[in-house]
Amino acid sequence: EVQLVESGGGLVQPGGSLRLSCAASGFSFSNYWMHWVRQAPGKGLVWVSRINLDGTSTNYADSVEGRFTISRDNAKNTLYLQMNSLRAEDTAVYYCAKPKDRGKMIDAFDIWGQGTMVTVSS
Amino acid sequence: DIQMTQSPSSLSASVGDRVTITCRASQIISSYLNWYQQKPGKAPKLLIFAASSLQSGVPSRFSGSGSGTDFTLTISSLQPEDFATYYCQQSYSTPDTFGQGTKLEIK
Repeated sequence: EVQLVESGGGLVQPGGSLRLSCAASGFSFSNYWMHWVRQAPGKGLVWVSRINLDGTSTNYADSVEGRFTISRDNAKNTLYLQMNSLRAEDTAVYYCAKPKDRGKMIDAFDIWGQGTMVTVSS
Repeated sequence: DIQMTQSPSSLSASVGDRVTITCRASQIISSYLNWYQQKPGKAPKLLIFAASSLQSGVPSRFSGSGSGTDFTLTISSLQPEDFATYYCQQSYSTPDTFGQGTKLEIK
């Protein structure tokens, strides 16, 4: 079964840091760009970041550029999101998402994790 | 960034109704338009990709159409499990952008 399982969310104070993980299984992880998408409570979906097959190319939304770092470990089939200098507006459910087609940087997301909640509050 | 605008933002309908949701892009995106369904507390589910291609396992009552800037998602005969929020997403250029969502509620 193709599956993504996120972990690492929680409550953090403004200015703090958190590292999210996304464990992939059931597909050839190293053949896919991987993405993070977030959803603030009661709000819509917002793309956050993407990483290429070998981790050498990354893109970020303007709102997180310079604060968040996406990375991957293909040996462990795991995607990461290091979040620093967190703000209240970063409060959201964070999803990792797999593109439908191998090797495509921009694509529909056919597999999503269950999401992990990040709450930034004092 | 390409802005995606859905209409309506919310919609009340009955089981058996035919429902159409529209999505407009702020610039031409060819057919790089995808539709998702999201139920409360759950991850989004891909319904339609490339404007009109039905994702595997999705019931045939769902269909998509359009190209350029204007797109539609149609549910031919609403079922109880279809009451959810629907999002469009453009995959033409980075950053990927989503519409604001359309909440489909039971009348």
